[in-house]
Amino acid sequence: RKEVEQDPGPFNVPEGATVAFNCTYSNSASQSFFWYRQDCRKEPKLLMSVYSSGNEDGRFTAQLNRASQYISLLIRDSKLSDSATYLCVVTGGFKTIFGAGTRLFVKA
Amino acid sequence: EPEVTQTPSHQVTQMGQEVILRCVPISNHLYFYWYRQILGQKVEFLVSFYNNEISEKSEIFDDQFSVERPDGSNFTLKIRSTKLEDSAMYFCASRVQGPLSYEQYFGPGTRLTVT
Repeated sequence: RKEVEQDPGPFNVPEGATVAFNCTYSNSASQSFFWYRQDCRKEPKLLMSVYSSGNEDGRFTAQLNRASQYISLLIRDSKLSDSATYLCVVTGGFKTIFGAGTRLFVKA
Repeated sequence: EPEVTQTPSHQVTQMGQEVILRCVPISNHLYFYWYRQILGQKVEFLVSFYNNEISEKSEIFDDQFSVERPDGSNFTLKIRSTKLEDSAMYFCASRVQGPLSYEQYFGPGTRLTVT
């Protein structure tokens, strides 16, 4: 089993759609969880941290289920500018593991 | 807004040469990281650094690699005797001291091309 596994994608959605990203992790001792976005040939940019209580930032909602070792990201009312690769990131101790990412294409 | 900076943006080197990639982390951050991303592949953890020593390293980070914080601002990754397969984007990241935040902020990367 991969340490961090994401939907392979790509997702192709029209503007205004709601899109959900899923991620699972294998190490139950993992401590911190994040979603990053990465544009082509650019650095990963922090989108949001993920907490068990769930957290929301505008159109973005993230959720963590520690029992299932599952992380999700929901984007509502998607915009053209949301087109990017979404990376699930898990940390434990001083090590950080990235998922392979899910590519999102939002079309007009 | 403070940001992580990296130099150079692109480095071309011949196989067998040594390269040094430089990073200036955000000034009040205490944890530093190097990652690499081979074109079309996922971001891979190389090493973390805290309190002037390596905290953790991956299996990729073998004797060919070393890191250093030569002064109060720079954080460097040295790759000795580069190989073709070292061609990748190398990202530096930093974060403040936990447990308040484990969020890492990334620099724009150095594209290393080994010919």
